[in-house]
Amino acid sequence: SQQGEEDPQALSIQEGENATMNCSYKTSINNLQWYRQNSGRGLVHLILIRSNEREKHSGRLRVTLDTSKKSSSLLITASRAADTASYFCATPGPNTDKLIFGTGTRLQVFP
Amino acid sequence: DAGVIQSPRHEVTEMGQEVTLRCKPISGHNSLFWYRQTMMRGLELLIYFNNNVPIDDSGMPEDRFSAKMPNASFSTLKIQPSEPRDSAVYFCASSPQGTGGYEQYFGPGTRLTVT
Repeated sequence: SQQGEEDPQALSIQEGENATMNCSYKTSINNLQWYRQNSGRGLVHLILIRSNEREKHSGRLRVTLDTSKKSSSLLITASRAADTASYFCATPGPNTDKLIFGTGTRLQVFP
Repeated sequence: DAGVIQSPRHEVTEMGQEVTLRCKPISGHNSLFWYRQTMMRGLELLIYFNNNVPIDDSGMPEDRFSAKMPNASFSTLKIQPSEPRDSAVYFCASSPQGTGGYEQYFGPGTRLTVT
């Protein structure tokens, strides 16, 4: 079964707007990661947040983690058409080294 | 630096044929992962290796699938015989160490079509 579930499944916004995607997971984790996938390409790692961190920034990306609620959010500020992609959260599987990916959010940014 | 390299990028084959997908991980990375992505099932982990040793192959769908990593710079995923339901994009990824705390670097994928 999948560890992470993203919400919403799809999101359409205009350039300049902010995009927020959420991820819920089931078991205790030591970190949570976000990846981006452009159409027809492999996944690209965006950011990793550890379980003892509550918020992390990287450029226009802001990630939060609430371990009590087993949830994370990815905020993309001032979106651009080039941000159009699918975004996945991923967490290490319980008692394994595997990364388990969520179902992804498809983001469409219109110019 | 070169990223993860996969070949071929596209493969079209007929049902029953053997298919071999190839992957060269990033130099120095200890872990290698094979994934399959479809619209229906999303991204599935098939198998992963740590220091060339298969650690978890529970995601390998059937005995028709096999994977090897003869050395630190090369891995193959073989499907024999192939079936139309194997059509998918297959990704290889590598990581500096076990994924407990490290990001994965994905290759561009191999799009497999089995007719």
